[in-house]
Amino acid sequence: SQKIEQNSEALNIQEGKTATLTCNYTNYSPAYLQWYRQDPGRGPVFLLLIRENEKEKRKERLKVTFDTTLKQSLFHITASQPADSATYLCALAHSGGGADGLTFGKGTHLIIQP
Amino acid sequence: DARVTQTPRHKVTEMGQEVTMRCQPILGHNTVFWYRQTMMQGLELLAYFRNRAPLDDSGMPKDRFSAEMPDATLATLKIQPSEPRDSAVYFCASGVGDTRYGYTFGSGTRLTVV
Repeated sequence: SQKIEQNSEALNIQEGKTATLTCNYTNYSPAYLQWYRQDPGRGPVFLLLIRENEKEKRKERLKVTFDTTLKQSLFHITASQPADSATYLCALAHSGGGADGLTFGKGTHLIIQP
Repeated sequence: DARVTQTPRHKVTEMGQEVTMRCQPILGHNTVFWYRQTMMQGLELLAYFRNRAPLDDSGMPKDRFSAEMPDATLATLKIQPSEPRDSAVYFCASGVGDTRYGYTFGSGTRLTVV
């Protein structure tokens, strides 16, 4: 069966360090992968998209990698800040255009300690 | 900033009652999704529309759930009759055909069925 796995345990990182979150998937051939941030009581907010033919994508302090051989994406936040504390969700598109909707992992709760 | 508006934000209802949740997608977005989020299951895709036409509702319990998009500014999700296991946060999201921009989620409707 298809699975998207993110570390269910909270990740505690000291302020200023790089936080790295992992998204593993099985039985998918995704055209692209997206990362979202979710704060308590709010809906997910889109952060980054990376396509299957891209190895890396950056946006300000964020970096995403996508390894279709390992079936894994890594999400990095450099120079982390307490305001980065949130739950981060990865999501896979079923088809090339995303027309079939996204399937989400359950998310990793990130805590940045001052 | 453009927003996806969901109403009501909170709903407490008795088992067996009808529940209607509403969503106003962002003007110009032609794709609308309904997701349900619980601690156990995470975000689950219930149904989605493109250009107001339903494309897939295989994630929805058909006997009690229905989703419609009577016009481009309104999407509805109905549960009749509601059951305690329907208690969850229901999110609406909208997007354009180009998924480089991801999807924009509303703040959700927190439903409690007692």
